Amino acid sequence: DTAVSQTPKYLVTQMGNDKSIKCEQNLGHDTMYWYKQDSKKFLKIMFSYNNKELIINETVPNRFSPKSPDKAHLNLHINSLELGDSAVYFCASSQDLGLITDTQYFGPGTRLTVL
Amino acid sequence: QKEVEQDPGPLSVPEGAIVSLNCTYSNSAFQYFMWYRQYSRKGPELLMYTYSSGNKEDGRFTAQVDKSSKYISLFIRDSQPSDSATYLCAMKGDRDDKIIFGKGTRLHILP
Repeated sequence: DTAVSQTPKYLVTQMGNDKSIKCEQNLGHDTMYWYKQDSKKFLKIMFSYNNKELIINETVPNRFSPKSPDKAHLNLHINSLELGDSAVYFCASSQDLGLITDTQYFGPGTRLTVL
Repeated sequence: QKEVEQDPGPLSVPEGAIVSLNCTYSNSAFQYFMWYRQYSRKGPELLMYTYSSGNKEDGRFTAQVDKSSKYISLFIRDSQPSDSATYLCAMKGDRDDKIIFGKGTRLHILP
């Protein structure tokens, strides 16, 4: 069973389009995250949700909107896609927020290419 | 100065060698230090974590933290081709909600 799953795995789209990436975790965790990893492999947090509540909201364009319908899901919607949005987006989850002993489990990533 | 600096590599070493991976950081509030391994086209997975200064050993892997120098290391003994991956250091403070990652070092173990 996949602990943290993301769909789609690959996403190729035109500039200006709106797209969504879905994430689901079956670990029973309370906290979920979205990270962006750029072409230089730099992994940076974008958002985190704890029990469906937004906790971390880094400085990302407001074209990016996370939505957590329940504890097990955290989706990322991106409006008006730009070339610079091309990256790999990772979803992650952990039991709690802020406790180092809570390992963050990462999904396989969604490779977004904006043409 | 970036909060966490890590040489991106690539670092190529022969099988069986000892590998040393390092990161430096600038934020003295960091207390928790982690190493993640990321295989190509996969998500990162936690290898080890340590708190404050000191060493921690887990099999062939040893993590070291020197807070006075703001320097952390990961040593891999008897390196194997299966260790070929990108290794990301990461750290956070006691009161932080978020983890700050280094850029990762690409490691190639040559058979």
